[in-house]
Amino acid sequence: NAGVTQTPKFRILKIGQSMTLQCTQDMNHNYMYWYRQDPGMGLKLIYYSVGAGITDKGEVPNGYNVSRSTTEDFPLRLELAAPSQTSVYFCASILAGGGIQYFGAGTRLSVL
Amino acid sequence: QKEVEQDPGPLSVPEGAIVSLNCTYSNSAFQYFMWYRQYSRKGPELLMYTYSSGNKEDGRFTAQVDKSSKYISLFIRDSQPSDSATYLCGKNTGNQFYFGTGTSLTVIP
Repeated sequence: NAGVTQTPKFRILKIGQSMTLQCTQDMNHNYMYWYRQDPGMGLKLIYYSVGAGITDKGEVPNGYNVSRSTTEDFPLRLELAAPSQTSVYFCASILAGGGIQYFGAGTRLSVL
Repeated sequence: QKEVEQDPGPLSVPEGAIVSLNCTYSNSAFQYFMWYRQYSRKGPELLMYTYSSGNKEDGRFTAQVDKSSKYISLFIRDSQPSDSATYLCGKNTGNQFYFGTGTSLTVIP
């Protein structure tokens, strides 16, 4: 039972490059979330999805895009990487609104 | 005003001490409250989860919610070195989750 799986675990990008952070869950959860965590700043919500084909912005969406074509996958896209996007990114999922949120192990991204 | 505010710490206690971690929240809409534990370089893992005022106990951990003062607390009894981690308080309002900045706890053997 894998839970929430994030790839890659680490990545270094150059300014202006693009990349996709992958997130997959095998719990048949409807809701999925992307957060970033900066030192001393807690978790900030980037985007979330309440089901396939439905996404919505969170607190800090600028510079990111998401899509949700299947229940299992919720990739996060960075189009033009900037140093301000250096962070640890976490994907999470819950079965339905108000449920227990399960987190992946995170992706550490550095933009230089 | 932030949705959730948390005492930043860091906190350092001797093994066996009682630890008190605290947060306040704004917005009184119906919501759930939770505490997550995060070890270094790992994802957060759920410790406690409640939606009502009062205390909820699970082993050495007690979560307390006071809706009248908008205060949420986590108490750890008989603290162990393995409790050394960052603790995040959070709440769920509708489809969104809001978290505090986290309190770093070190339990010294």
